[in-house]
Amino acid sequence: DAGVTQSPTHLIKTRGQHVTLRCSPISGHKSVSWYQQVLGQGPQFIFQYYEKEERGRGNFPDRFSARQFPNYSSELNVNALLLGDSALYLCASSLGGAYGEKLFFGSGTQLSVL
Amino acid sequence: QKEVEQNSGPLSVPEGAIASLNCTYSDRGSQSFFWYRQYSGKSPELIMSIYSNGDKEDGRFTAQLNKASQYVSLLIRDSQPSDSATYLCAGYSGGYQKVTFGTGTKLQVIP
Repeated sequence: DAGVTQSPTHLIKTRGQHVTLRCSPISGHKSVSWYQQVLGQGPQFIFQYYEKEERGRGNFPDRFSARQFPNYSSELNVNALLLGDSALYLCASSLGGAYGEKLFFGSGTQLSVL
Repeated sequence: QKEVEQNSGPLSVPEGAIASLNCTYSDRGSQSFFWYRQYSGKSPELIMSIYSNGDKEDGRFTAQLNKASQYVSLLIRDSQPSDSATYLCAGYSGGYQKVTFGTGTKLQVIP
């Protein structure tokens, strides 16, 4: 079975640009969460989507947005990139629902903003 | 106030020893706890989950949960150099709440 797939693997952008990151969850998983991980820190929650609806949003500015498609894949969009947006962006897939959220992570997208 | 706290380490143990990793949490509503292993440059990998007070064993790994003390730990027996990684503790409060991660503890197993 395929795991969580993310694309692209690496990305280099300049300040002010826009970026779109993509994620395909494990087959049968209906929930996708996005996390940002800065070097030396734990993953920070950005968004959670379940059945195409936003179920949670972390403490990130409105420059960050996301959506989930009917096939449960997801996109994370970041507008007006800042140097501080440089990080590893992780997509996590889970069954979804109300208990015991075991997250399965993709390999991540390493974003560098110059 | 951080919701999940871990000592960043590094924690150094000799090969074959027991590594003990600790985590505290502030949200008393947290129901489930997870340990993830993250190798340098890689994404986190789930290695243990625990939902009730007590111990849960899986191979060389034992997770311990004490909800009264708001304390979670991970023991790694017979530590191997391949166990050298950062270990992330995470908590979950149920429903559509987020999974919250600590900053991770770096473990170094010395051959």
